[in-house]
Parts: sequence; C-alpha cells; structure tokens
Amino acid sequence: DTGVSQNPRHKITKRGQNVTFRCDPISEHNRLYWYRQTLGQGPEFLTYFQNEAQLEKSRLLSDRFSAERPKGSFSTLEIQRTEQGDSAMYLCASSLGGRGNTEAFFGQGTRLTVV
Amino acid sequence: KQEVTQIPAALSVPEGENLVLNCSFTDSAIYNLQWFRQDPGKGLTSLLLIQSSQREQTSGRLNASLDKSSGRSTLYIAASQPGDSATYLCAVEDNQGGKLIFGQGTELSVKP
Repeated sequence: DTGVSQNPRHKITKRGQNVTFRCDPISEHNRLYWYRQTLGQGPEFLTYFQNEAQLEKSRLLSDRFSAERPKGSFSTLEIQRTEQGDSAMYLCASSLGGRGNTEAFFGQGTRLTVV
Repeated sequence: KQEVTQIPAALSVPEGENLVLNCSFTDSAIYNLQWFRQDPGKGLTSLLLIQSSQREQTSGRLNASLDKSSGRSTLYIAASQPGDSATYLCAVEDNQGGKLIFGQGTELSVKP
C-alpha cells in the first residue's frame, strides 16, 4: 500500500465552475477525513466518514460542498459554483477508526486555485 | 471549544542545535496528540502520536512529551539538520468523534 492518494494534485478553475476531488485511503482504514488548509494556517476539519457513513460535518462545509464515500472505499469532495474564497489545499486523511488511539495518515493534498 | 496554539510561529537555528517546539491546548479532555511535519506545498507526514495515557514518545532524534493536566506538549529535536527545515504542526484528537484540531504550526529553518 502506498498510503493515502489524492487526485488531482493541482486544479485551477474559473469562478462558478464545479470541481471534484478524489481520495483513496489506506485500504484497511475505516475512517476518512477531509480538511482544508489555507496559507500559513493549520488544517481545518471539514467532514469525516466511518466506512460509508458521513458522521460529522463542520459548519465550514457550506451547501455548495458535498462529500461521498460510496461502499466505504474512496471518497469524493465536490464543490459547486466555486468562489475565490474556496482557493486552498484540500487534504484527505485516513485512520483505522475507533476513538482515541489511532494515527491519522494524510495524502499529498489537492491544491485548488479559483480564478 | 478546543483551541490549539503553537509557539513560536517561526524559528531559525544553526545546524547542530537542539530545539524545542511548543504546543498548548485549552481542553485537557483529549484522546491523543499527534505531531506532523509539512514541507512546502505538500501533505502532512506523521512524526509521533502520544496517547492520552502516555507522557512521551520518541523516534530517532525526536522526542514528544504530553502534559494533559496543563494542556501542553513539546517536540524536542536533537542535533538539528538542514533537512529538518519544514513546518511542524501539532493536533489533538477531540473527544467528540475523532477529528483532529490543529495549531497554526511552527515554521522551522535550520541553517547550514
């Protein structure tokens, strides 16, 4: 297993367009997380899945954002009608699940630029 | 609401120095604390995970400590090298559902 994989690595889009990112977690990991990171800041939590169930969504996740994890495997994050403020690094992480003592592993991120 | 703070925001040291990065959190009811390294434009690499019942963890030249009662963690880097230059992030796993809450990071520069 090569770790958490994210595609694409970079995305430039025009304001108002829709974009979709993909995350492939480490194969045996039940939990999958999405974070957003802007320049000079730490990552901020967006949402997470336990298998295929989306268990928590941050208030940062406006109705233009939707995430899915069909069959509990890969996940997609879609942003509709992109705005310049959506420009950020979108990071995916996975862990074995359960609370307390599991290490999170991150992908290389997708850098989104909205022009 | 849990808040995580890292001090200093940036640090520049000559090669070979030992250094300490600080992380504090406001709610001591955490499940674990994790230190990460991030190179420019890249994702996060996990360095050390300290479970809530532990006081410290070591990996090579890195040692991380945790004092839950005071809401503090430190990352000690021994004999720093230019290759250690990166941003170091600490994050606590909250007690509500497993998400990580991050500090803003310390940008470390080790000069040859």
